Amino acid sequence: QITLKESGPALVKPTQTLTLTCTFSGFSLSTSGVGVGWIRQPPGKAPEWLALIYWDDDKRYSPSLKSRLTITTDTSKNQVVLTMTNMGPVDTATYYCAHSNWDVAFDYWGQGTLVTVSS
Amino acid sequence: EIVLTQSPGTLSLSPGERATLSCRASQSITSLYLAWYQQNPGQAPRLLIYGASSRATGIPDRFSGSGSGTDFTLTISRLEPEDFAVYYCQHYGSSPLFGQGTKLEIK
Repeated sequence: QITLKESGPALVKPTQTLTLTCTFSGFSLSTSGVGVGWIRQPPGKAPEWLALIYWDDDKRYSPSLKSRLTITTDTSKNQVVLTMTNMGPVDTATYYCAHSNWDVAFDYWGQGTLVTVSS
Repeated sequence: EIVLTQSPGTLSLSPGERATLSCRASQSITSLYLAWYQQNPGQAPRLLIYGASSRATGIPDRFSGSGSGTDFTLTISRLEPEDFAVYYCQHYGSSPLFGQGTKLEIK
């Protein structure tokens, strides 16, 4: 079955760079149509999409955060990595990675990891 | 830029009742890319409906989706205790986005 799990620091300081890793199993990011996305959700608010990477290495970013985001993949390790620069308190959120198939929806999600930005 | 507006913000109903949740897009969108998710406290969103009306794997048939163009609806025919949660619609366009959510609470 498809599973995803996020890992990374629980606490980062303002201005630091956040690096999160999504380790997945049950599918291959080399399979046509497959994508892995990152979505975050501040406490008590709606989810916000951040970035997507596809089987063909195409990448998409949220227009409002594009300058701060980089998404990469290590297919040999079944991992997708998201980096976000210049973190601030407003970036405090639970960060999720999720699987998609042919851009229809995010059908499998990780459990999420809470990242707090504070000095 | 498309905006998804969900209504109502909070819906208070009793188990056994019918729930109707609305998602309105600021411009016409392709039904193929409209999804609905359920989220319980402390958990990740769970896909319920994709393509506006197709149930995801394992989703009970009391959940149904409909709509086209700018107006979409999630209907829960008879509420079970486990259905009281927050529901989000999502458009999977070039920049996927979510609505602000509807909280379904027990009356």
